[in-house]
Amino acid sequence: NAGVTQTPKFQVLKTGQSMTLQCAQDMNHNSMYWYRQDPGMGLRLIYYSASEGTTDKGEVPNGYNVSRLNKREFSLRLESAAPSQTSVYFCASRDRGGTDTQYFGPGTRLTVL
Amino acid sequence: KQEVTQIPAALSVPEGENLVLNCSFTDSAIYNLQWFRQDPGKGLTSLLLIQSSQREQTSGRLNASLDKSSGRSTLYIAASQPGDSATYLCAVGSSGGSNYKLTFGKGTLLTVNP
Repeated sequence: NAGVTQTPKFQVLKTGQSMTLQCAQDMNHNSMYWYRQDPGMGLRLIYYSASEGTTDKGEVPNGYNVSRLNKREFSLRLESAAPSQTSVYFCASRDRGGTDTQYFGPGTRLTVL
Repeated sequence: KQEVTQIPAALSVPEGENLVLNCSFTDSAIYNLQWFRQDPGKGLTSLLLIQSSQREQTSGRLNASLDKSSGRSTLYIAASQPGDSATYLCAVGSSGGSNYKLTFGKGTLLTVNP
């Protein structure tokens, strides 16, 4: 049982480049989340998806777009990367019908030069 | 807006000591509260989840308590071990259902010395 997987693990971009971070879960969870983690700031919610076909903004959505491709997959896109988006990005899914526990992926470490 | 504070930011203890990590939140209208562990360079692992109607949860050497009215939670670790060294994060869950979101504290970095 893989849980929540994220690709890539590491990425270096130049300012203005675009990229998509991929996330998939195999636990049949309805809700999925994207967070960023920065030193001194803690984890902050970027976007979330309560179910397939729906997405909502979190605390820090500017500069990002998301797609809930199907129940398993939730991607995060940076259209024009900026140095301020250098961070560690975590995807999570939630066991909404059960314990409400959130399960996290291993993270993507992104550097924007 | 919910704000979550964790004190202390860092803690160093000798092996075998019992310890308490503190978490406070500003809005007492919470749905639940979760404690997570994060090892360096890794994702978060859920340790305990307390529903708003509960007072405490226990798992092995860990005990988490919740006092909604005062906006506080504590994580008690008994007989600490070097393997407990990690960052511990407290997160408060907002309303249930489709709008459920977690608000995180900045964490407490725990070091248990052999």
